[in-house]
Amino acid sequence: GAGVSQSPSNKVTEKGKDVELRCDPISGHTALYWYRQSLGQGLEFLIYFQGNSAPDKSGLPSDRFSAERTGGSVSTLTIQRTQQEDSAVYLCASSPLGAYEQYFGPGTRLTVT
Amino acid sequence: SQQGEEDPQALSIQEGENATMNCSYKTSINNLQWYRQNSGRGLVHLILIRSNEREKHSGRLRVTLDTSKKSSSLLITASRAADTASYFCATMNSGYSTLTFGKGTMLLVSP
Repeated sequence: GAGVSQSPSNKVTEKGKDVELRCDPISGHTALYWYRQSLGQGLEFLIYFQGNSAPDKSGLPSDRFSAERTGGSVSTLTIQRTQQEDSAVYLCASSPLGAYEQYFGPGTRLTVT
Repeated sequence: SQQGEEDPQALSIQEGENATMNCSYKTSINNLQWYRQNSGRGLVHLILIRSNEREKHSGRLRVTLDTSKKSSSLLITASRAADTASYFCATMNSGYSTLTFGKGTMLLVSP
């Protein structure tokens, strides 16, 4: 079956611009996660959605970061007023209800110039 | 913040040899998972071991968990060039559903 997909695969943006990153989870998976991977910080948790519950936003690094998940499926991570330190690979993962293992997408490489 | 620390940071071996990677963590966990990442992109789940398990096997993979030492090891037997990748341990704390990743071990298997 289809895995987790993310778009775009690469994004180059100028400092100060807003960007939107998209994640399509595996059909039927109730949980969706966003992580960020950068050379200096490794893999960091950003935000977690589970069904219709309020998301766990505890990993978002600043209020410039937000995410939404529409209809319990597709999710969009938005970064406002991008900074150079936002350059990283943004990874999305999904998981079926009751499972602990996560299925990752290929990531979006964001470069802020 | 990082929970796990993998050791070594990098490992270079020949095909056919075994590769052992270690992971240490700091807090009580519900389970520990190992993931593989090729070329810095998506991660692939390899194996999960629960806090009440001590050893688990999957194909050429063997994982051990010592909760008293807060450590785990991943053994890949009879390695192949295709095993070349970065390997991450990730912990899931009790009552949570998110993973905390270590910094990873880069494994290079030469033909």
